[in-house]
Amino acid sequence: LAKTTQPISMDSYEGQEVNITCSHNNIATNDYITWYQQFPSQGPRFIIQGYKTKVTNEVASLFIPADRKSSTLSLPRVSLSDTAVYYCLVERGGSQGNLIFGKGTKLSVKP
Amino acid sequence: KAGVTQTPRYLIKTRGQQVTLSCSPISGHRSVSWYQQTPGQGLQFLFEYFSETQRNKGNFPGRFSGRQFSNSRSEMNVSTLELGDSALYLCASSFASGSPKNSYEQYFGPGTRLTVT
Repeated sequence: LAKTTQPISMDSYEGQEVNITCSHNNIATNDYITWYQQFPSQGPRFIIQGYKTKVTNEVASLFIPADRKSSTLSLPRVSLSDTAVYYCLVERGGSQGNLIFGKGTKLSVKP
Repeated sequence: KAGVTQTPRYLIKTRGQQVTLSCSPISGHRSVSWYQQTPGQGLQFLFEYFSETQRNKGNFPGRFSGRQFSNSRSEMNVSTLELGDSALYLCASSFASGSPKNSYEQYFGPGTRLTVT
């Protein structure tokens, strides 16, 4: 599975849009890009998943360029409660439940 | 719809003992995965069960084992506990059927915090 690289930490202020970019140079044809959010002492929570172009749901958008070697998670108008660790993962289609988590990006939202 | 439940939530054991953790997946989910999370190593995959069969296994010693029952509930066992086994153990369930054309999101439970003294 493709290794992912993302910033260790990011700071933002309430109300701002936050973009977290992840690189996955060796992504394969049947790989999906997935983002999870984790609060301290809780299990990760699925945010969004995409294969190519743009995906949007009620909490975030995911932008994936044509070469799929990177992706950007966009969180609109963050609040203090968005302070968490965000993980970018590359999942093989039909993956057998073995998510490979990296270090993640620790997002700190300040008032 | 009830989420993934894990019991117990907290556990304290002594070195050399063994421990069994339980996970009840979301109704209808047949895939259950286990992960270990520590400050030093982060989130690491232990193993995954689907329809009572272990489909995939991470790089952990044989002291870590698991099983899945016909109702998809799963248990994880760690024998001969070591101090380094202190961690948050997370269970995740998924509808994943293994079809290569799809990738299914995993739903994580709250975890079991195991402390080995």
